[in-house]
Amino acid sequence: QKEVEQNSGPLSVPEGAIASLNCTYSDRGSQSFFWYRQYSGKSPELIMSIYSNGDKEDGRFTAQLNKASQYVSLLIRDSQPSDSATYLCAVIRLYGNKLVFGAGTILRVKS
Amino acid sequence: GAVVSQHPSWVICKSGTSVKIECRSLDFQATTMFWYRQFPKQSLMLMATSNEGSKATYEQGVEKDKFLINHASLTLSTLTVTSAHPEDSSFYICSAPAGQNYGYTFGSGTRLTVV
Repeated sequence: QKEVEQNSGPLSVPEGAIASLNCTYSDRGSQSFFWYRQYSGKSPELIMSIYSNGDKEDGRFTAQLNKASQYVSLLIRDSQPSDSATYLCAVIRLYGNKLVFGAGTILRVKS
Repeated sequence: GAVVSQHPSWVICKSGTSVKIECRSLDFQATTMFWYRQFPKQSLMLMATSNEGSKATYEQGVEKDKFLINHASLTLSTLTVTSAHPEDSSFYICSAPAGQNYGYTFGSGTRLTVV
């Protein structure tokens, strides 16, 4: 079992729709959770960080964390073609400071 | 704030030569720097962790003599790919923890092509 699992996609959504990206993790003691966006040929850029259960909203993005289910998600409202990218879920374990990445989900927003 | 500057952005070298990649934290002190490698259409693979003032820690399967890491100061970490071969061609990215507001900040990456 991979430590951080994501559906590789591609996830295709029409412009203006809500894109829902999901991630599960195996280390129950994980404490910090991040969503990064990576365009082809570029390095990842931080979209959201979340540390406690519940929802965290920032503009069109909402991160949701459920530690009991070991599940973290990212919702993108009013999806735009410019949101088309690979979205990486990353987790920091309880003991340590390494950022462990999932394989990423490819999102395609069609105009 | 929380910018990591990575150079060069791309480099082409001949097989057998060495290449140095630099990562500098511009507006914060990076006591730790993580080095990743990414092959096309794959996720980031952590290669090693460098800590200022101590030896780097390498992930399993990464050759420490081939990928030399030096964390010379609180703002500079370097990765040297020694005796590069075509299979070392990849996208190398550094990253540093920059505080809870910024998460882990990534450099812009270095595209290495060994011919």
